[in-house]
Amino acid sequence: GESVGLHLPTLSVQEGDNSIINCAYSNSASDYFIWYKQESGKGPQFIIDIRSNMDKRQGQRVTVLLNKTVKHLSLQIAATQPGDSAVYFCAERGAGNMLTFGGGTRLMVKP
Amino acid sequence: DGGITQSPKYLFRKEGQNVTLSCEQNLNHDAMYWYRQDPGQGLRLIYYSQIVNDFQKGDIAEGYSVSREKKESFPLTVTSAQKNPTAFYLCASKRGGEGSAVNREQFFGPGTRLTVL
Repeated sequence: GESVGLHLPTLSVQEGDNSIINCAYSNSASDYFIWYKQESGKGPQFIIDIRSNMDKRQGQRVTVLLNKTVKHLSLQIAATQPGDSAVYFCAERGAGNMLTFGGGTRLMVKP
Repeated sequence: DGGITQSPKYLFRKEGQNVTLSCEQNLNHDAMYWYRQDPGQGLRLIYYSQIVNDFQKGDIAEGYSVSREKKESFPLTVTSAQKNPTAFYLCASKRGGEGSAVNREQFFGPGTRLTVL
């Protein structure tokens, strides 16, 4: 597979458990945030987004929480499945309207 | 099916050669982007284009060149001036240009892995 994420922090969870992936962002002026999922050898896929005027948004099995006070973003995955194994990274949109991406976290799901 | 395609999936280059990576989208998106991804690092922006016949340098443009002659195509040339070109290259597109409130999401292609021999 691709060598993306060789030195990434790794989260290992049991199948069926909930996963929480964290991201610290840098720009307090960022107004929009996205979580992406990237499987080995593939391009990133959009999971969920949130605007800075919200602190929580829910999708199907996923929830994003935004804490602007400490500039922290988290992605919660309910009932984690083997197909959720991938690298997850956040992106923030700052003053220049460009996205800045985090380094990513590797999620490994144990059967 | 609408989407973004990148070719080739794997590309090998000898030192001193220029190579061109293809990116095509049939989503009718205005903006297109090229990113470089290295192990353990986030995506870094190389070049972006908000409209046909216009493009801007990103954070790491040195050693790269692009063109945007057609809305659906945004090829990236990795020149011999790029000292460390081995990486995974990702192309993305977005409906609106920067500053547009319409659809902030970027859609990514499958990537091209470039290796310098």
